[in-house]
Amino acid sequence: DGGITQSPKYLFRKEGQNVTLSCEQNLNHDAMYWYRQDPGQGLRLIYYSQIVNDFQKGDIAEGYSVSREKKESFPLTVTSAQKNPTAFYLCASTPDTRLDEQYFGPGTRLTVT
Amino acid sequence: DAKTTQPTSMDCAEGRAANLPCNHSTISGNEYVYWYRQIHSQGPQYIIHGLKNNETNEMASLIITEDRKSSTLILPHATLRDTAVYYCIVQNPWGGSEKLVFGKGTKLTVNP
Repeated sequence: DGGITQSPKYLFRKEGQNVTLSCEQNLNHDAMYWYRQDPGQGLRLIYYSQIVNDFQKGDIAEGYSVSREKKESFPLTVTSAQKNPTAFYLCASTPDTRLDEQYFGPGTRLTVT
Repeated sequence: DAKTTQPTSMDCAEGRAANLPCNHSTISGNEYVYWYRQIHSQGPQYIIHGLKNNETNEMASLIITEDRKSSTLILPHATLRDTAVYYCIVQNPWGGSEKLVFGKGTKLTVNP
């Protein structure tokens, strides 16, 4: 089945450690996105990529980094510089840069203690 | 900031229609209305979108008022699995914006 996969579903890390969240899609979509969701809140955009080897910062990029070396993959690294990393992280994609229906992955819940 | 206003929560009996309202009084002519839902601890799921005509698909119907300042998402026969947070979003898909602006949505609880 086509879709977006994120792994793992739950992730636990100690403060001060970098951690990388995986996002893979087999939909042949050009654009991919990373959002963060805190309890009871909407989604906030961290980074997005409209094409391979190119990405832009979203609203809350500080403390995060990404890469887009392959069309199907858009990993997110949460660095130790991110002050409040505990959150639900969602990856999404769209067929092209037109912002139409977004396809979301199942999310990764990161807990940093 | 979200350009829409939705009730915080709603209840619906299983098997009945769920009508979820959304106000978007500042919507511009080239903005569409999108609806997504998010079941607890899952990623959001696209439901439907429209510009000015009413739309229907296998999941829901979208009724947009003639002045486009409000809309209603209708789940015709709600089931327990429809319990979720429903988000109404207005967006110009060609506007160069890179993100969907999700507000807090409406928490719909379908009761047996």
